[in-house]
Amino acid sequence: DQQVKQNSPSLSVQEGRISILNCDYTNSMFDYFLWYKKYPAEGPTFLISISSIKDKNEDGRFTVFLNKSAKHLSLHIVPSQPGDSAVYFCAASAEGNTGKLIFGQGTTLQVKP
Amino acid sequence: ETGVTQSPTHLIKTRGQQVTLRCSSQSGHNTVSWYQQALGQGPQFIFQYYREEENGRGNFPPRFSGLQFPNYSSELNVNALELDDSALYLCASSLELTGASEAFFGQGTRLTVV
Repeated sequence: DQQVKQNSPSLSVQEGRISILNCDYTNSMFDYFLWYKKYPAEGPTFLISISSIKDKNEDGRFTVFLNKSAKHLSLHIVPSQPGDSAVYFCAASAEGNTGKLIFGQGTTLQVKP
Repeated sequence: ETGVTQSPTHLIKTRGQQVTLRCSSQSGHNTVSWYQQALGQGPQFIFQYYREEENGRGNFPPRFSGLQFPNYSSELNVNALELDDSALYLCASSLELTGASEAFFGQGTRLTVV
């Protein structure tokens, strides 16, 4: 049973445009959501997070939106840069324990110059 | 760089053998978690240690075991290796068990079982 799903395996956008990565979850006990970015041969790097009591969190070019009723979150990257090309993982945790994460399958983002 | 280091970076083992992977947590972090990432998949939670005690386990058989030491470094041991154990093994450390601070990952150990 996949509790966190990223239904788009890949996404390609032009440099300067917006990238939107989507994530759905099924477990209503999740109370904290994180996005990680991963380059080949490296471990995941934390990008941005959001608590279930909020519906939006912004950090520079990155914004995460949470729709609790739809059990859906999205990551917006504006403007997209070629260096953003990586695999993006959505992850969820319960009881504030961010060491115990349930990950989605990942979305490979390619930003073309 | 996250301050979480894993060793070795690559490892090749034969089916049936045993393996030990090591993780040094970021300074001050008392919680460590281990994940298995198969090719094309997201990381899967194996187990977590908090102050040297196991605190939760994912859907992995008992031949996956772990330890956390007083300095909060950690080991993952896998006995009776199977071909399907071939994966990237990731270690992540957190400042505390809860509090919603992010977990920091090491670069991983790539295990190949032949």
